[in-house]
Amino acid sequence: TQLLEQSPQFLSIQEGENLTVYCNSSSVFSSLQWYRQEPGEGPVLLVTVVTGGEVKKLKRLTFQFGDARKDSSLHITAAQPGDTGLYLCAGKRGEYGNKLVFGAGTILRVKS
Amino acid sequence: GAGVSQSPSNKVTEKGKDVELRCDPISGHTALYWYRQRLGQGLEFLIYFQGNSAPDKSGLPSDRFSAERTGESVSTLTIQRTQQEDSAVYLCASRPWGGGAPGELFFGEGSRLTVL
Repeated sequence: TQLLEQSPQFLSIQEGENLTVYCNSSSVFSSLQWYRQEPGEGPVLLVTVVTGGEVKKLKRLTFQFGDARKDSSLHITAAQPGDTGLYLCAGKRGEYGNKLVFGAGTILRVKS
Repeated sequence: GAGVSQSPSNKVTEKGKDVELRCDPISGHTALYWYRQRLGQGLEFLIYFQGNSAPDKSGLPSDRFSAERTGESVSTLTIQRTQQEDSAVYLCASRPWGGGAPGELFFGEGSRLTVL
């Protein structure tokens, strides 16, 4: 059982569409991060959220941390082919916990 | 280079052989992580090193897996008597020590291991 459940597992959409991917857990996290990974490369950090209810925007990407700090969402507006990749959420538990736990990821494919 | 460097980038081995994977973290980064990623899946935590503290080995899947790190520099992940289920990409990441801060992990490109 994954500590962090991501949904959907796979998403294929047309350029210009909007989408939301989810990262859920029954556990509380002190922070959550979202990474994007392209084939043959390591994941790259997109954002870190630390406060319950926090919303962060990165151009067309909007990230939200749930009020209870158990879940997060990533919304992409007007998706582009360059958004294609594996989106991973990762959580840190406890004030000084060092282990960063990753979800299984959402594979996003944006067709032109 | 300035990033995390991993070698080899690809390794094909026969079942039962030992393999050693190397990670050279970003200079000055005191924390180093190893993760395993099976095809199309997320990252599975293996081991974490922080300075001279005892490593967190809680993610190592069996006693065939071990890792070492010399000070705050290079780390090696060793898999003994490889099995086909060990086939995966092994990713190394480093970050500056920030206490409880949720710092960014900087990943290498990974070592792809194929066990025949």
